[in-house]
Amino acid sequence: DAGITQSPRHKVTETGTPVTLRCHQTENHRYMYWYRQDPGHGLRLIHYSYGVKDTDKGEVSDGYSVSRSKTEDFLLTLESATSSQTSVYFCAISENKQGSGANVLTFGAGSRLTVL
Amino acid sequence: SQQGEEDPQALSIQEGENATMNCSYKTSINNLQWYRQNSGRGLVHLILIRSNEREKHSGRLRVTLDTSKKSSSLLITASRAADTASYFCAPSLLTGGGNKLTFGTGTQLKVEL
Repeated sequence: DAGITQSPRHKVTETGTPVTLRCHQTENHRYMYWYRQDPGHGLRLIHYSYGVKDTDKGEVSDGYSVSRSKTEDFLLTLESATSSQTSVYFCAISENKQGSGANVLTFGAGSRLTVL
Repeated sequence: SQQGEEDPQALSIQEGENATMNCSYKTSINNLQWYRQNSGRGLVHLILIRSNEREKHSGRLRVTLDTSKKSSSLLITASRAADTASYFCAPSLLTGGGNKLTFGTGTQLKVEL
């Protein structure tokens, strides 16, 4: 996906270990988001950022922390991974849709995390 | 933010047929967006309709919005196998960048040859 990359794309880890997922954008957008996608639940917002060092919680933030020290990078950290955090994680950036007056999301390709 | 609910959950059609999927939401909105997700990929923005619009077209896509019924529909005409994907609606109250869109479970469309 143009302008936004996630790493790693796949990771298997063990319960209790820390995990950090990285989202990198080259578009210089102010707003960035982390979602998780699980069967039967759709996409749920974990955390979002509206600028460097400005972050806020989404609907499923427990067990997750984020940091944004640079415009281009938004990190999602699982301090102590649990099996319930096995999921596909998507990063998104928000850009203004030309002529619409509204912002739309551009998503990364996703990071598949398995916690054993 | 608010979540839209897509209906049906799954839809299977033959290539060349039209596919219609619906979205319902609960509160007032400024705009409603539709996204597509191919298997194993991130969501891709398809089309946005503003609250003062009733219908919008983009290629083979037609979106309608009925704010009195708090519902929207996405019509894909002359479907192709490549249209096989999940489709999500995202109603939005905000117009700014802090657009915390939330997504339901989507409609899984399968277009068979």
